[in-house]
Amino acid sequence: DSGVTQTPKHLITATGQRVTLRCSPRSGDLSVYWYQQSLDQGLQFLIQYYNGEERAKGNILERFSAQQFPDLHSELNLSSLELGDSALYFCASQSRDGELFFGEGSRLTVL
Amino acid sequence: AQKVTQAQTEISVVEKEDVTLDCVYETRDTTYYLFWYKQPPSGELVFLIRRNSFDEQNEISGRYSWNFQKSTSSFNFTITASQVVDSAVYFCALRGNYGGSQGNLIFGKGTKLSVKP
Repeated sequence: DSGVTQTPKHLITATGQRVTLRCSPRSGDLSVYWYQQSLDQGLQFLIQYYNGEERAKGNILERFSAQQFPDLHSELNLSSLELGDSALYFCASQSRDGELFFGEGSRLTVL
Repeated sequence: AQKVTQAQTEISVVEKEDVTLDCVYETRDTTYYLFWYKQPPSGELVFLIRRNSFDEQNEISGRYSWNFQKSTSSFNFTITASQVVDSAVYFCALRGNYGGSQGNLIFGKGTKLSVKP
């Protein structure tokens, strides 16, 4: 158990819909990362937040957005969903010495 | 640019065989970190090892060992006497001290290891 909690574990929705994935980092960790794992693109960095502020952006689509709240949990919002958005979405929190600890992921299926 | 290449897409071995997973990386950073993660069929990413660029000592942990060679930009992972429970996808990853994304990991495409009884 990494200490990072992600909900929901599985989500099935239709094209055009919007979903929100939630992540609670390990106690004491200030930084949260979101990654997308798809069959064709592999594991790709989406976005990073540190203590509520956006720190770095990767290959995140404009239809996707994220935020980190004062209690440090983070949400990844995916809108206007397309079939190609079906993937496993990971959240990771970063310890003070720089290690990334990954949650179990949220598996999104877009039908 | 930073890049991690895992040339082996899939490997299949019989239990008790030794197997080496290759990882080659590219980076312009002088300080960087290399990682291996395991992703079993259940899907979670399990951290196995971190190695920094100044430490080229090989490491052994039980049946696992890692060979880091800066001269060839490689960080290979060997499983000795493989077991069925080792079946998983293994990812090599790189993190540099670059810009605002110091913690961001660049992953290879992964190597799927199947260990047959």
